[in-house]
Amino acid sequence: NAGVTQTPKFRILKIGQSMTLQCTQDMNHNYMYWYRQDPGMGLKLIYYSVGAGITDKGEVPNGYNVSRSTTEDFPLRLELAAPSQTSVYFCASSYGGRAGEKLFFGSGTQLSVL
Amino acid sequence: AQSVTQLDSHVSVSEGTPVLLRCNYSSSYSPSLFWYVQHPNKGLQLLLKYTSAATLVKGINGFEAEFKKSETSFHLTKPSAHMSDAAEYFCVVSDGSNFGNEKLTFGTGTRLTIIP
Repeated sequence: NAGVTQTPKFRILKIGQSMTLQCTQDMNHNYMYWYRQDPGMGLKLIYYSVGAGITDKGEVPNGYNVSRSTTEDFPLRLELAAPSQTSVYFCASSYGGRAGEKLFFGSGTQLSVL
Repeated sequence: AQSVTQLDSHVSVSEGTPVLLRCNYSSSYSPSLFWYVQHPNKGLQLLLKYTSAATLVKGINGFEAEFKKSETSFHLTKPSAHMSDAAEYFCVVSDGSNFGNEKLTFGTGTRLTIIP
């Protein structure tokens, strides 16, 4: 049972480059999320989706874009990478989006922008 | 507004001794509170959660936490540490919203080291 799968695990980008962080889940969850974790800080919500075709901004969306064409996939796009986007990125999913519901997390993508 | 403070960034205990990871919170609502654990190179995993039922919450792997409203605390404990408990632990507070609008505020994490 794969759960939430993120790729790649590590990536180094140059300033101004673009890339897509991939996230897929096989639990048929409606809700999916992208978080970033900066050193010594808690996780911050970037974007979330309540179902295919529906996305919304979280706490720190600037510099990112998302799409949700299928229930399974929720890619995160960085168009013009900046050093401030150096972070660890976590994708998560949940079934119903109710308060207090358990989140299932991927193992993270460590991104460095130099 | 809500916030969460994990009082120790790093805790070291010997195997077989008790574990205490401290968390204080601030919330304008009746909060939901969680502890998540992250083992090396793994995703975060829910340990336990409090959602206004019993104040003493039992989780997986022998962990438990007690919600103390008067102290605004939600400390995580385990009677006897095991080597497999070495990980990063996150305390999380929720504003209780539904339908994907729930705002989760994560603590900065406590790294637990177990000494053989």
